[in-house]
Amino acid sequence: AQTVTQSQPEMSVQEAETVTLSCTYDTSENNYYLFWYKQPPSRQMILVIRQEAYKQQNATENRFSVNFQKAAKSFSLKISDSQLGDTAMYFCAFPYSGAGSYQLTFGKGTKLSVIP
Amino acid sequence: NAGVMQNPRHLVRRRGQEARLRCSPMKGHSHVYWYRQLPEEGLKFMVYLQKENIIDESGMPKERFSAEFPKEGPSILRIQQVVRGDSAAYFCASSPRTDGNTIYFGEGSWLTVV
Repeated sequence: AQTVTQSQPEMSVQEAETVTLSCTYDTSENNYYLFWYKQPPSRQMILVIRQEAYKQQNATENRFSVNFQKAAKSFSLKISDSQLGDTAMYFCAFPYSGAGSYQLTFGKGTKLSVIP
Repeated sequence: NAGVMQNPRHLVRRRGQEARLRCSPMKGHSHVYWYRQLPEEGLKFMVYLQKENIIDESGMPKERFSAEFPKEGPSILRIQQVVRGDSAAYFCASSPRTDGNTIYFGEGSWLTVV
């Protein structure tokens, strides 16, 4: 079974500062994707960034970047120049693709508060 | 290009009634997923469907819950005889293929059972 662990239930950061959210996972697969989703107070699930495991280069999307360490099964999200609109729940997700299905396993989330 | 459309956004049902949640996938997407989010938790997979077929329902409760994705029309998640524990946000997602590279979520449907 796949597991995804987010060890930080809550975090806060000052506006314009940098914050890193951690995520570890467990899998026996070799090729896969990893995702970070943001869920703001509106509760919509928004894809922030995704990483392909076979790519050594860490993914970057504007102020969002990941630190992907495949051997350690670690997939952290770094948010630079934090903005008030970044306040949200952040979920790390890992796909399971067994038995002809494709489903995402989510961590329990990290509640990020950006302080003005 | 409309995204994944879910309705209703909010639904209130009394215990014992039925709840029907609808999901229209993005244009060109033939794969639909339903997830449930209980308060203070992450999303949990329920069921994966392709047109007219249930591929994986391993996350769906065995009783009272059913899902369909007909040849024409939206996917439907049906909950019969709702109980208070069914109160949750139900998210639909769609993708054009099974490799998981492109999965898009709808805005969710919030079910409240009173």
